[in-house]
Order: sequence, then structure tokens, then C-alpha cells
Amino acid sequence: EDQVTQSPEALRLQEGESSSLNCSYTVSGLRGLFWYRQDPGKGPEFLFTLYSAGEEKEKERLKATLTKKESFLHITAPKPEDSATYLCAVNNNAGNMLTFGGGTRLMVKP
Amino acid sequence: DTEVTQTPKHLVMGMTNKKSLKCEQHMGHRAMYWYKQKAKKPPELMFVYSYEKLSINESVPSRFSPECPNSSLLNLHLHALQPEDSALYLCASSQDGSSKPQHFGDGTRLSIL
Repeated sequence: EDQVTQSPEALRLQEGESSSLNCSYTVSGLRGLFWYRQDPGKGPEFLFTLYSAGEEKEKERLKATLTKKESFLHITAPKPEDSATYLCAVNNNAGNMLTFGGGTRLMVKP
Repeated sequence: DTEVTQTPKHLVMGMTNKKSLKCEQHMGHRAMYWYKQKAKKPPELMFVYSYEKLSINESVPSRFSPECPNSSLLNLHLHALQPEDSALYLCASSQDGSSKPQHFGDGTRLSIL
């Protein structure tokens, strides 16, 4: 059974204080690892897909990396508008099902 | 704005009512999904449609009935719901294939009285 664990559950940062969110996974045949951002009362917003170990993707202050066991979402010089819940999910060879982690609630204070 | 549109945004219904949630996408995606999300929890998969056919039902109670009238539309028919069914109901779509990202709508906030 696929499993995804995210840490920490919550993270408070000062504006400009860089940090990383962790997503550890076990999956039978990784087809893709996905990062989403979710604001309160909204649906998850797609950020990145990573397919193989060593792959990296960047968007503005966010950078996602992937190893064979975990993925990191690095946030460089965060701003208050980066405050949200960040979700990690994996898909395997079996079909169109995503297994989500519990999410990391990020709060960036000015 | 998301490219997956869900209506209504909010719905309050009694336990004896019948209502429907609607979802529409025009990205040409051939897989569509219903999720249920409780507060401070990740989305939980309910149903998957692939090429307009139901391919996954995650043991959802029969009071939830999905329907896919065409490749752009997805409905969720609700009947005799329980208070514990109150949640955010999310629709998503993707190009078919498990390596493609799913794109979510902003959901319907459902409250059962």
C-alpha cells in the first residue's frame, strides 16, 4: 500500500526566512510525485510534477526536488502570501489514484 | 481562477433532500474525479471516471451517486445524506494516465442540517 508522510505538520516562518518542507513516500512503481498548494476554502492548486530521482522544478520562490524516498519543497525568502497548506501526492502504476500526505500548514509572518 | 468550475459554491440541505453538485472542464481532459475533504485533512478520493465510464468507486455509500453525461461534465447526486457528510466536495480532471497532474476546482461547501 502506498504511503505519503509530510513533515512538519505546521511551520511558522518570518518573512525572508528560507526553509524546506519534506514529503517521504513509499510507492509500488512511482508514476509521478505532485505538489499542490491549498488556500483556505479553495481547491488544491497544482504546482509541480516530479517523475524521477534527481529531478528538480522551480517556480518563483519554490523549488521541488526528488530522491528515491522523499521530495523536498524549498521555499526561498518567503512572503506572507506564501502562507497556505502544501500537499504532496504520489501516483503509482495501478491507475489514476493519488495518495496524499497530510499536508504542511505554512504561516509566514511579516 | 481555476479551469475546473464547480457549482454551487455553497449548499445547505436537510437529510431528506435531493440535490446535485456539478463540475465542468473544457481542457479536453478524459479523466474526472470526485473527492471529499474534511477540515485540516487531505482530499479523499470517492470516484474516478475515465473516458466517461466509472472506473473507481472507493466504497462510497449509495446516497452518493455520480454521473458523467459527457467528457466535459461530472455530476454528483445527493440523497438522504447524514450530518457527517458535511464537507468540501472537490472535482478534478486530468489527461488520462496516472503520470498526469490532476487539476482541481474550488469545491462545493456542503452542510447537512
